[in-house]
Amino acid sequence: GNSVTQMEGPVTLSEEAFLTINCTYTATGYPSLFWYVQYPGEGLQLLLKATKADDKGSNKGFEATYRKETTSFHLEKGSVQVSDSAVYFCALSDLGGSNYKLTFGKGTLLTVNP
Amino acid sequence: GAGVSQSPSNKVTEKGKDVELRCDPISGHTALYWYRQSLGQGLEFLIYFQGNSAPDKSGLPSDRFSAERTGGSVSTLTIQRTQQEDSAVYLCASTKGGQGTTFFGQGTRLTVV
Repeated sequence: GNSVTQMEGPVTLSEEAFLTINCTYTATGYPSLFWYVQYPGEGLQLLLKATKADDKGSNKGFEATYRKETTSFHLEKGSVQVSDSAVYFCALSDLGGSNYKLTFGKGTLLTVNP
Repeated sequence: GAGVSQSPSNKVTEKGKDVELRCDPISGHTALYWYRQSLGQGLEFLIYFQGNSAPDKSGLPSDRFSAERTGGSVSTLTIQRTQQEDSAVYLCASTKGGQGTTFFGQGTRLTVV
């Protein structure tokens, strides 16, 4: 079956530090990969996605590259801000017909201090 | 509506009681999903609807859990004879179809006491 493993944290950084959150996956097919973010008191929001190998998803200064050879989709940001404090979830979706159910990692809590 | 709407936002119930959680997806979204977010298990898929039918119920944890969707829109997740381990945040999500983005509601926090 499908699974996603991500570093659980918590991760605490100072403002302007470099961020990496590791994510690896196991899937039977050729999944699409996602990073979702959950800000305090808010719902899950899509941060970025990649649908095929070597694709790079990017948004709000965050990037992640779909690496099929290492089955990874690590999230990076060059300079984090206090407003990036949130829980980050790596996820995958197998394209099974019209069913795009997501398999999530357990989430990584990021705290950015000023 | 503008986003996925869930009600109630919080529900406290006594063990053994039945509860109903409601989801109103984004207008025009044909696919609807229920997930559960709990401390021990993270985010788990429960059930998928395409229109009013549920071709994938593989994530429902027991026969105490059921869901329906009517008019291709509103969905209700029902938990019968609630147990303490049912305490979690129940999230609803919808997708327009194809490879569209999945949008999540704010969730219903269920506490079984």
